[in-house]
Amino acid sequence: RKEVEQDPGPFNVPEGATVAFNCTYSNSASQSFFWYRQDCRKEPKLLMSVYSSGNEDGRFTAQLNRASQYISLLIRDSKLSDSATYLCVVNGGSQGNLIFGKGTKLSVKP
Amino acid sequence: ETGVTQTPRHLVMGMTNKKSLKCEQHLGHNAMYWYKQSAKKPLELMFVYSLEERVENNSVPSRFSPECPNSSHLFLHLHTLQPEDSALYLCASSPGQNYGYTFGSGTRLTVV
Repeated sequence: RKEVEQDPGPFNVPEGATVAFNCTYSNSASQSFFWYRQDCRKEPKLLMSVYSSGNEDGRFTAQLNRASQYISLLIRDSKLSDSATYLCVVNGGSQGNLIFGKGTKLSVKP
Repeated sequence: ETGVTQTPRHLVMGMTNKKSLKCEQHLGHNAMYWYKQSAKKPLELMFVYSLEERVENNSVPSRFSPECPNSSHLFLHLHTLQPEDSALYLCASSPGQNYGYTFGSGTRLTVV
């Protein structure tokens, strides 16, 4: 089983749509969870941390299910500017380093 | 200047060349990292430095040699690379474990 698995997409959605990304991780000892966003040919940027109780930041909602080792990201009212690759990130290396999924590509169309 | 700065942004080198990538962070972070990003692959961790000590070397070939002279600077020395080493090399820093990383803009390396 891969350490962090994501559906690669692409997800092609119209503006205003709601889209959900899922991610599973293999290390049950992981303690920190994040979603990063990476635009084409740019570096990854932290979108939001993911907390056990779930958390929301504007149109973005992240959820964590430790029992199922599952993380999700919901984007409501999609904007053209949301088009990017979304990376699921979990700590769990030998030094607690971050491990990145391959990413899910989102394309929001007019 | 703030954040994590990487130079050069682009680099083309021959297989017999020696070059170095530079990373500098102005965030007061204690840990610095080198990652490699190849097409259609997840980010691969190469090296980790915590308080200037190398704490992880992820089975990286010896043609890649890191150097961390102080907590703000990180180098990746390159020597006799192969075409398959062409990739985006990203530097990152963090305050410590369990924190998110801040990435530099990366060096896009092409080995010819």
